Amino acid sequence: AQKVTQAQTEISVVEKEDVTLDCVYETRDTTYYLFWYKQPPSGELVFLIRRNSFDEQNEISGRYSWNFQKSTSSFNFTITASQVVDSAVYFCALSEARDNFNKFYFGSGTKLNVKP
Amino acid sequence: AAGVIQSPRHLIKEKRETATLKCYPIPRHDTVYWYQQGPGQDPQFLISFYEKMQSDKGSIPDRFSAQQFSDYHSELNMSSLELGDSALYFCASSRTGRYNEQFFGPGTRLTVL
Repeated sequence: AQKVTQAQTEISVVEKEDVTLDCVYETRDTTYYLFWYKQPPSGELVFLIRRNSFDEQNEISGRYSWNFQKSTSSFNFTITASQVVDSAVYFCALSEARDNFNKFYFGSGTKLNVKP
Repeated sequence: AAGVIQSPRHLIKEKRETATLKCYPIPRHDTVYWYQQGPGQDPQFLISFYEKMQSDKGSIPDRFSAQQFSDYHSELNMSSLELGDSALYFCASSRTGRYNEQFFGPGTRLTVL
């Protein structure tokens, strides 16, 4: 079963629009970590945020904000006033904390196209 | 700050050839992970090493092998390459006890012709 689901395969918006990328995860662990990465066309994975399962506070960083809700197992990512440079594939990832050596489970990614 | 180094960044091989990808973790990081990202797909975990021992294994083909050396760098060896091995290969490193924080390298893009 897919541990991380990003139901939106591709989203297109016009510059300055707000956009929310959805992420739903599945785990039996009580301690886990959630991540968002940005992958521009150049291919590298750019770290955006890490959130642990005990911290449900929402976070804002500039135009980026994250909404973590354990009740719905969701960790959604919102870009406010999108810009063309935000165009990329965004991955949500889960790491379970059974021990110290835990692989990442990635969602299938959401491709965001921001048009001028 | 030092980041994860991967070499080469690009590699072109023919079918049935072998390839070796290298990963140099961030200093003082003791764990290395390898991921494979096929075209249009999400990264998939292949294998990880902690203190030179294999710590976890994912969907790594038998044709692939990997190891971590005493200086903590890791190499992914791929033999009898197939067209389907064309992908972006990421290495990530972490330090035990550091809240599962993994730092990804820039990736090696392997093209098999």
